[in-house]
Amino acid sequence: QKEVEQNSGPLSVPEGAIASLNCTYSDRGSQSFFWYRQYSGKSPELIMSIYSNGDKEDGRFTAQLNKASQYVSLLIRDSQPSDSATYLCAVNTLRDDKIIFGKGTRLHILP
Amino acid sequence: GAVVSQHPSRVICKSGTSVKIECRSLDFQATTMFWYRQFPKQSLMLMATSNEGSKATYEQGVEKDKFLINHASLTLSTLTVTSAHPEDSSFYICSVSLRTSGGATDTQYFGPGTRLTVL
Repeated sequence: QKEVEQNSGPLSVPEGAIASLNCTYSDRGSQSFFWYRQYSGKSPELIMSIYSNGDKEDGRFTAQLNKASQYVSLLIRDSQPSDSATYLCAVNTLRDDKIIFGKGTRLHILP
Repeated sequence: GAVVSQHPSRVICKSGTSVKIECRSLDFQATTMFWYRQFPKQSLMLMATSNEGSKATYEQGVEKDKFLINHASLTLSTLTVTSAHPEDSSFYICSVSLRTSGGATDTQYFGPGTRLTVL
């Protein structure tokens, strides 16, 4: 079982709609969860971190964490064409305090 | 503002030459830095963990004699690709590990990356 799993996409969402990105992880003891955005040809940029069950909102972004079900999601409201990118889910495992990245989901916002 | 810088941002070299890439943490000390490689349309691949004052820890399958890592100070780690070949052409990205307030564990911040093209 892969440690951090994401649907590779592409996920196509109309402009103005809500984009929902999902991620599951295998290490039940994981404590920290991150979402990075990576534009083509650029390095990843941290956009959200979440540590507790529930929702965390930052502008148009909402991260959701459910440790019992071992999933973390990212919602992007009022999607814009500039949101088109690859979104990487990352989880800090307790085993060796190493951050494990998923392979990313490509998001395409349709104008 | 930027947390991590990398230099150069882009390099083109001939096959057989060595290329050094610098990664600097800005305004803070980083005992741990990471080096990643990313091929076009592929996911990030962790190459090694760079520890200040000690030897780097390489991931399985990464040749330590080919990818030399030196973390000589708390703000600088270097990756040297020795005897580069066309198959080494890739996007090399470093990151630093930083414990932010309220964070249970470290968070990684990435540098802007270095695009290496070996002719």
